[in-house]
Amino acid sequence: DQQVKQNSPSLSVQEGRISILNCDYTNSMFDYFLWYKKYPAEGPTFLISISSIKDKNEDGRFTVFLNKSAKHLSLHIVPSQPGDSAVYFCAASARYAGGTSYGKLTFGQGTILTVHP
Amino acid sequence: GAGVSQTPSNKVTEKGKYVELRCDPISGHTALYWYRQSLGQGPEFLIYFQGTGAADDSGLPNDRFFAVRPEGSVSTLKIQRTERGDSAVYLCASSFNAGTEAFFGQGTRLTVV
Repeated sequence: DQQVKQNSPSLSVQEGRISILNCDYTNSMFDYFLWYKKYPAEGPTFLISISSIKDKNEDGRFTVFLNKSAKHLSLHIVPSQPGDSAVYFCAASARYAGGTSYGKLTFGQGTILTVHP
Repeated sequence: GAGVSQTPSNKVTEKGKYVELRCDPISGHTALYWYRQSLGQGPEFLIYFQGTGAADDSGLPNDRFFAVRPEGSVSTLKIQRTERGDSAVYLCASSFNAGTEAFFGQGTRLTVV
């Protein structure tokens, strides 16, 4: 039961253009969403997050959009740079759902982004 | 230290052996998580500590897996009677409080031969 899905295994973009990475989720209890970037042989690095009370959060070149009714979020990177080439993971948690599980992140399978010079 | 530290970075063990993987979280972080990542997949939740206690161990695959955090800082993930299917990268993460952004270590690559 894949509660967080990234349906595109890979994405190739030209330097300077926009990269759009997509993520879908099924669990309506999820109320907090994060994007992580991962380089080979390193742990995931936190990029940006969004709470379910918002529909957009921006940090420099990175913007995350949340569509709760569609249970869909996306990460926009503009302009894309070769150094952005990495695996991007979408993650979700039920942060305010109470109980003991709210620290737990559920990850998607990842999307490999390649930015060509 | 400045970040989450995991040791060893690589571990090769024979099937049936016992292994321990160590995680040093960021100082002051009360929440600590263990995840497992197989090739081509995202990290899969194993267990989460808030302080010394395991707040959620629902991701541990079976009773061969056990984790401790006796003083609320360093944690050890213990795997008994290792199987080839246990081969993966084991990731540790910590956060200031549960629900805030988690910071990951570089992982321990476990290979069971």
